[in-house]
Amino acid sequence: GAVVSQHPSWVICKSGTSVKIECRSLDFQATTMFWYRQFPKQSLMLMATSNEGSKATYEQGVEKDKFLINHASLTLSTLTVTSAHPEDSSFYICSAREPRYQETQYFGPGTRLLVL
Amino acid sequence: DAKTTQPPSMDCAEGRAANLPCNHSTISGNEYVYWYRQIHSQGPQYIIHGLKNNETNEMASLIITEDRKSSTLILPHATLRDTAVYYCIVLSFYTGANSKLTFGKGITLSVRP
Repeated sequence: GAVVSQHPSWVICKSGTSVKIECRSLDFQATTMFWYRQFPKQSLMLMATSNEGSKATYEQGVEKDKFLINHASLTLSTLTVTSAHPEDSSFYICSAREPRYQETQYFGPGTRLLVL
Repeated sequence: DAKTTQPPSMDCAEGRAANLPCNHSTISGNEYVYWYRQIHSQGPQYIIHGLKNNETNEMASLIITEDRKSSTLILPHATLRDTAVYYCIVLSFYTGANSKLTFGKGITLSVRP
């Protein structure tokens, strides 16, 4: 199957700072990537859809100015959590759509964010 | 996209087959059935998907009923490492490039020694 990586795997930051998370498709090109968030003991919630070369599409209730998404190449999408607060602490997971496998989505290992 | 219903949990003995059911009674003709699993503190892992024919790969088999209103994921020889939350999701590609996976609560499979 296709491989998706995320960096960093975990990050601790102070309240008010910004954090950037990278999502890479390692062995395929992905025009579409997705960002999810998962709180403890809950299911994954889609935050936004990232399309290469265009603006991201955010789900209802997700602040686009707080969660900045950039999909500048066919293998890289980034999520920046701006002015992070403790309530932003969560598990952030990206996925990428693999066009060779009927557009199946493959997921990264996730990034655990802790805001102090 | 159609919704799915899964029992909240099940268990099976190591080495035995695990049969995970999923109901998707409102599935439409162009919607695929996908299965993912999430092992604790990891990103979801793709397992298998199908439209109407039964499918098999190195991880599992997917059995879809003839009316497509339900399906069963079969792990032929469960191991302790198969303990995870399994998600059954239906998805159409006719919504275009932005077709989205919607995760429900899934079924927690516990494999016991």
